[in-house]
Amino acid sequence: EPEVTQTPSHQVTQMGQEVILRCVPISNHLYFYWYRQILGQKVEFLVSFYNNEISEKSEIFDDQFSVERPDGSNFTLKIRSTKLEDSAMYFCASTGDRGELFFGEGSRLTVL
Amino acid sequence: GDSVTQMEGPVTLSEEAFLTINCTYTATGYPSLFWYVQYPGEGLQLLLKATKADDKGSNKGFEATYRKETTSFHLEKGSVQVSDSAVYFCALRVSNTGNQFYFGTGTSLTVIP
Repeated sequence: EPEVTQTPSHQVTQMGQEVILRCVPISNHLYFYWYRQILGQKVEFLVSFYNNEISEKSEIFDDQFSVERPDGSNFTLKIRSTKLEDSAMYFCASTGDRGELFFGEGSRLTVL
Repeated sequence: GDSVTQMEGPVTLSEEAFLTINCTYTATGYPSLFWYVQYPGEGLQLLLKATKADDKGSNKGFEATYRKETTSFHLEKGSVQVSDSAVYFCALRVSNTGNQFYFGTGTSLTVIP
């Protein structure tokens, strides 16, 4: 069964460092998303991406965040200068023609 | 705006008990409704969905009916098992064009033997 894969599964970084989280969406999907979940809190929308550009973004997705699809398979989330409050589980997701959201297993980011 | 309000947790039930997790929504259009489940240490998985009013989504013994008149999509299961222990998220999506999903806060369920 096709799945969304994410790397790394866990990353520990120092405050102020740049982090890149990687995702490989399901191959025939066209819409890609990043969500995050701070420990014990709700799943929050960050950004959606379609046709090689951002289609929607939330207030959380400020200038410190960027997304890119550098090739035909990867979808990356970059945090330019991490803050303590960026510590969270980051989920990549994609949707196909049935509109269902398929999530990866998440990348846990710990900012020290 | 579009949003989902979900029953506060945590919920603790004995095995074979009846489960209801309430979910109500606010939407500007005609949403599709979803329940996602997150098992410990894993990502979110689609549990069931309903795309229009009066549809019933079902999977693994769980059911939820899309009630437009009460703007609700309550999750039910007649007899829970220990393996159902997880966090359950209600979610909506307003259009079919890939717009963002709105998630509830999640309800943690623990089933004890």
